[in-house]
Amino acid sequence: KNQVEQSPQSLIILEGKNCTLQCNYTVSPFSNLRWYKQDTGRGPVSLTIMTFSENTKSNGRYTATLDADTKQSSLHITASQLSDSASYICVVRENSGGYQKVTFGTGTKLQVIP
Amino acid sequence: DTEVTQTPKHLVMGMTNKKSLKCEQHMGHRAMYWYKQKAKKPPELMFVYSYEKLSINESVPSRFSPECPNSSLLNLHLHALQPEDSALYLCASSHGTGEVYEQYFGPGTRLTVT
Repeated sequence: KNQVEQSPQSLIILEGKNCTLQCNYTVSPFSNLRWYKQDTGRGPVSLTIMTFSENTKSNGRYTATLDADTKQSSLHITASQLSDSASYICVVRENSGGYQKVTFGTGTKLQVIP
Repeated sequence: DTEVTQTPKHLVMGMTNKKSLKCEQHMGHRAMYWYKQKAKKPPELMFVYSYEKLSINESVPSRFSPECPNSSLLNLHLHALQPEDSALYLCASSHGTGEVYEQYFGPGTRLTVT
């Protein structure tokens, strides 16, 4: 069964500090991996997409990495802001022809405090 | 316009009521999705519509009935729900169902079944 596991489950950091969120997956065959940010009570918003050939991709203060060999991804947030407080969800898509099924991770709940 | 809208924002209904959730997008997307999200859990796929035809039903109980009247609109009709159906219902859309297409999520409808 395809699984996507994220760690830590929750994280509290001081404003201005950096943090790294982890995502391990067993989805196969792999197509792509997205990191989403979900504010409480809102729909997820895509931050980055990583395909098999990409190792790192940045979107402002967010940098995602992918190691397709070890099936691990990370999301690094630099100089955190209060507005970064949200759940971060790793979503992995399998490449199985037709509709490529997505598997959502359990999420990391990040709280940035002043 | 890169927005998926959902109405109502909140809904409280009794177990004998009939209600409908509405989702709309004007991005020209041909795939639309319904997800159910319980608190502190990732979204779970319910239905996928592709070119206004139901292509995936993830074994959802018949008390949930989707409808896609046109390419911009997706409804979810609710009847005889159970308290455990209380959740955030998310609608999403994408250009297609292929691997490269990002899903854009709406803000969700918070449903409470009493």
